Amino acid sequence: QKEVEQNSGPLSVPEGAIASLNCTYSDRGSQSFFWYRQYSGKSPELIMSIYSNGDKEDGRFTAQLNKASQYVSLLIRDSQPSDSATYLCAVLASGGYQKVTFGIGTKLQVIP
Amino acid sequence: DAGVTQSPTHLIKTRGQQVTLRCSPKSGHDTVSWYQQALGQGPQFIFQYYEEEERQRGNFPDRFSGHQFPNYSSELNVNALLLGDSALYLCASGPWQPYGYTFGSGTRLTVV
Repeated sequence: QKEVEQNSGPLSVPEGAIASLNCTYSDRGSQSFFWYRQYSGKSPELIMSIYSNGDKEDGRFTAQLNKASQYVSLLIRDSQPSDSATYLCAVLASGGYQKVTFGIGTKLQVIP
Repeated sequence: DAGVTQSPTHLIKTRGQQVTLRCSPKSGHDTVSWYQQALGQGPQFIFQYYEEEERQRGNFPDRFSGHQFPNYSSELNVNALLLGDSALYLCASGPWQPYGYTFGSGTRLTVV
């Protein structure tokens, strides 16, 4: 079982729609979760972090966390062509280890 | 405020050679992590440095080694290069208790 699992996509959504990106993780003790956006040929950029169960909203982005189900998601409302990128889910290991593990990333394509 | 600086940007090496990659963390950050990202994959954790010591290590052979200097900058060394070492090498910096890393622009290593 991979530590962090994501569907590699591509996920295609029309402009203006809601994009839903999902991630599951195996370390039941993990407490910190991150979403990074990576444009083609560029380095990852942190867009959201979440530490508690429930939803966290920042502009058009909403991160959702369910620790019981070991599930993290990212919703992008009013998707724009500029949102087309790969979205990486990342999880901080439990036990005081400061190791952040990334998933393979989901490629999002927003169709104008 | 400079972000994370990596050098060089691109590098071509011959199989069997050795390479050194460099990273200067963002101001105020004392922890440096190195990641390898192959094409179409998520970043894979190589190791992490804090207080000039290697704190965590991923599943990479001993050919991969590193160092952190008193000014928090770091080096990644790879010996006996293999064709499979061709990848984007990313440096990420943050505080010891990470609330999300900041990535450098990466070094693209090609082994021929």
